[in-house]
Amino acid sequence: EAGVAQSPRYKIIEKRQSVAFWCNPISGHATLYWYQQILGQGPKLLIQFQNNGVVDDSQLPKDRFSAERLKGVDSTLKIQPAKLEDSAVYLCASSLSFNNQPQHFGDGTRLSIL
Amino acid sequence: GIQVEQSPPDLILQEGANSTLRCNFSDSVNNLQWFHQNPWGQLINLFYIPSGTKQNGRLSATTVATERYSLLYISSSQTTDSGVYFCAVEPHDYKLSFGAGTTVTVRA
Repeated sequence: EAGVAQSPRYKIIEKRQSVAFWCNPISGHATLYWYQQILGQGPKLLIQFQNNGVVDDSQLPKDRFSAERLKGVDSTLKIQPAKLEDSAVYLCASSLSFNNQPQHFGDGTRLSIL
Repeated sequence: GIQVEQSPPDLILQEGANSTLRCNFSDSVNNLQWFHQNPWGQLINLFYIPSGTKQNGRLSATTVATERYSLLYISSSQTTDSGVYFCAVEPHDYKLSFGAGTTVTVRA
């Protein structure tokens, strides 16, 4: 079974630029999550999708972050404009459904803001 | 929101040693997961364990949901066990909350 795929693995941009990350979940997984992991901390949930609908985005900084999952499979997370404090690893995860199912994580995208 | 506390924050082991990592949480939960984040940043599922005990090779985990804690046991540690171990709990709002992790270093 193929795991969660993410790209790119690394990205370096200057502050105020924009960036986008892509995620392809495990086949058949209805629920997709984006997490932000700052160095030295545990991952923090940004947004959760159930199929192509948003279940929770309460911790997503909506003035600069956006995410979509148009066809209920792949997802993109965008930051525009980026700030220095956005430097982090962005992890995508998926699960069969949103409750009582284990989450499986991709390898993440390491973002550095200069 | 729910608080998740992991201890110890850091652990240095000699290869072959055994250890126990602890996760305490402040409210009742639907489930709990243990993850290992390796030095390359990959987050690997170890256990999905809302209650009871599970074993997988040299690792085992026990969750006592009524007392709001979980333990992860590493036996006969190897250098490949190095990394950060995270406990993550799913409260009744279904949002996974992570602890700060335990950094384990296994020396040859």
